[in-house]
Amino acid sequence: KAGVTQTPRYLIKTRGQQVTLSCSPISGHRSVSWYQQTPGQGLQFLFEYFSETQRNKGNFPGRFSGRQFSNSRSEMNVSTLELGDSALYLCASSLTPGQGEGYEQYFGPGTRLTVT
Amino acid sequence: GNSVTQMEGPVTLSEEAFLTINCTYTATGYPSLFWYVQYPGEGLQLLLKATKADDKGSNKGFEATYRKETTSFHLEKGSVQVSDSAVYFCALGNYGQNFVFGPGTRLSVLP
Repeated sequence: KAGVTQTPRYLIKTRGQQVTLSCSPISGHRSVSWYQQTPGQGLQFLFEYFSETQRNKGNFPGRFSGRQFSNSRSEMNVSTLELGDSALYLCASSLTPGQGEGYEQYFGPGTRLTVT
Repeated sequence: GNSVTQMEGPVTLSEEAFLTINCTYTATGYPSLFWYVQYPGEGLQLLLKATKADDKGSNKGFEATYRKETTSFHLEKGSVQVSDSAVYFCALGNYGQNFVFGPGTRLSVLP
């Protein structure tokens, strides 16, 4: 079974621009979560989607948004990029958003975003 | 709210040494607990999990036991290898809430 895929793997953008990152979950997985990973802040939760609905949202400004499509693929968008948005953005999928079996998350390789 | 605390690294060991990485958590209800590993340039990989108290998760020689009385989920391995060098994350998942990850512990194993 193919793993979680993320595109693109690397991205360089300029301050003020916007960016869209894509995530395709493992086949059959309906829950997708997004994380930002930086050396200083570690792994921070952005949002989680299940059945095209946002279930949870982390403490990030409104410039960060996401969505999920009917095939469970997800995108996240960052508008008006700032230098501090440079990070590794990780997507994770799980079978269910609940608890117990099937709840564990499987991560993609990430998208490395550099803002100059 | 939910939180995870794990020992800060880096941890440096010689090959074949015994490894322990401490993890404690704060949560309401009955969370599931996980250990993830991240190798350089890659995403996180699920290493092992435990979904209820006294469960022991194990994989690739690593073990961790869900201890509700001490709210702990310490990672252990009897004999580490150079290939185990990576960053290890303890994580907690609770119903209806997002995953919470610890800060990560960098492990370096020297030959």
